[in-house]
Amino acid sequence: AQSVTQLGSHVSVSEGALVLLRCNYSSSVPPYLFWYVQYPNQGLQLLLKYTSAATLVKGINGFEAEFKKSETSFHLTKPSAHMSDAAEYFCAVSPQGSQGNLIFGKGTKLSVKP
Amino acid sequence: KAGVTQTPRYLIKTRGQQVTLSCSPISGHRSVSWYQQTPGQGLQFLFEYFSETQRNKGNFPGRFSGRQFSNSRSEMNVSTLELGDSALYLCASSLAPGNYGYTFGSGTRLTVV
Repeated sequence: AQSVTQLGSHVSVSEGALVLLRCNYSSSVPPYLFWYVQYPNQGLQLLLKYTSAATLVKGINGFEAEFKKSETSFHLTKPSAHMSDAAEYFCAVSPQGSQGNLIFGKGTKLSVKP
Repeated sequence: KAGVTQTPRYLIKTRGQQVTLSCSPISGHRSVSWYQQTPGQGLQFLFEYFSETQRNKGNFPGRFSGRQFSNSRSEMNVSTLELGDSALYLCASSLAPGNYGYTFGSGTRLTVV
């Protein structure tokens, strides 16, 4: 069975500071891993995905994530936070070959202080 | 290119009623999935359809059902509504199951009173 744990339900950073959102997964088979962002009253937008190619994945809006099998982690980072990054971020896993049933973490709400 | 369209955006229903939500995927997308989002349980998978066939189903009671039409549009139905069914219901579409990446709609906010 697959599961996702996001450490920290709320993260606050200053504008221009490093953003680090943590995600650990559990999967009995090689996983696909995803990060999504959700702005208020909107659906989910895909930031990036890991599908067993490069372990360092670059996404939209300057975000990237590194797949570390030994640590079962897929942390999301951005070198410099912008006010517009304030949103809720979700890490998700699915077994390879069956992306339809994504299993999401509980989400991390990112606040960006001016 | 139009995105994933969910209708209606907001819905208020009474306990015991039934409701049907609609999802129109991106043109050319044949795979549609549904998720329920609540503050307590977070995002939970409901079902996945591809070429009018249900491929996967989440752990929800039989009151939750869905279908997909030949034009890939999908509907989900909830019968005998309960207060706990109040949630944001999200639909996502993709070219096909696999690693193509799912595009989500803005959701339907269902309130059961």
